[in-house]
Amino acid sequence: KNEVEQSPQNLTAQEGEFITINCSYSVGISALHWLQQHPGGGIVSLFMLSSGKKKHGRLIATINIQEKHSSLHITASHPRDSAVYICAVTFSLNTDKLIFGTGTRLQVFP
Amino acid sequence: GAVVSQHPSRVICKSGTSVKIECRSLDFQATTMFWYRQFPKKSLMLMATSNEGSKATYEQGVEKDKFLINHASLTLSTLTVTSAHPEDSSFYICSARDYPKQIFGQGTRLTVV
Repeated sequence: KNEVEQSPQNLTAQEGEFITINCSYSVGISALHWLQQHPGGGIVSLFMLSSGKKKHGRLIATINIQEKHSSLHITASHPRDSAVYICAVTFSLNTDKLIFGTGTRLQVFP
Repeated sequence: GAVVSQHPSRVICKSGTSVKIECRSLDFQATTMFWYRQFPKKSLMLMATSNEGSKATYEQGVEKDKFLINHASLTLSTLTVTSAHPEDSSFYICSARDYPKQIFGQGTRLTVV
């Protein structure tokens, strides 16, 4: 069983829609990362969270430590947002080792 | 911003040969780098943790004699796939931490024929 679960696995949306991707994890963590992987394979780190909420442009990431849950929101989605979004966690302050979720494949159509 | 440069981006090699993949941190030092493998439409799998000046730490099930990792300087880690077989064909990617983010290389798509 994966320690980091994401939902949905696949998501399609029309341009302009509000997108939510969810991530749940099984035990306490030291940090949670949201990553974006484009079709060519390159990965970009979007956020690192240990509590609360962060915003960057049209992207918002939230985390609820008590519920062991994080969400990534995309406002006013655009076709260029089409990518795989990956949630990853570190379970200890002593390591940068990431445990990855299964990813959410997002396609935004014009 | 911080960049991790990974080279080559694509490589095709014959079975039985060895392939070296480089991962270089630009504008920051990385005492620790991570090597991952990704199968098609699957998530990343950590292969090993590369530590500057010491031996790499391999994850369970990863053959250390097959996937040789060297981290000789604070800015360079290399992964060598030795005696490559078609089942080694995959997407390999490295990362290093530039607090607070993990910076990923561009990835290397290895095809063994």
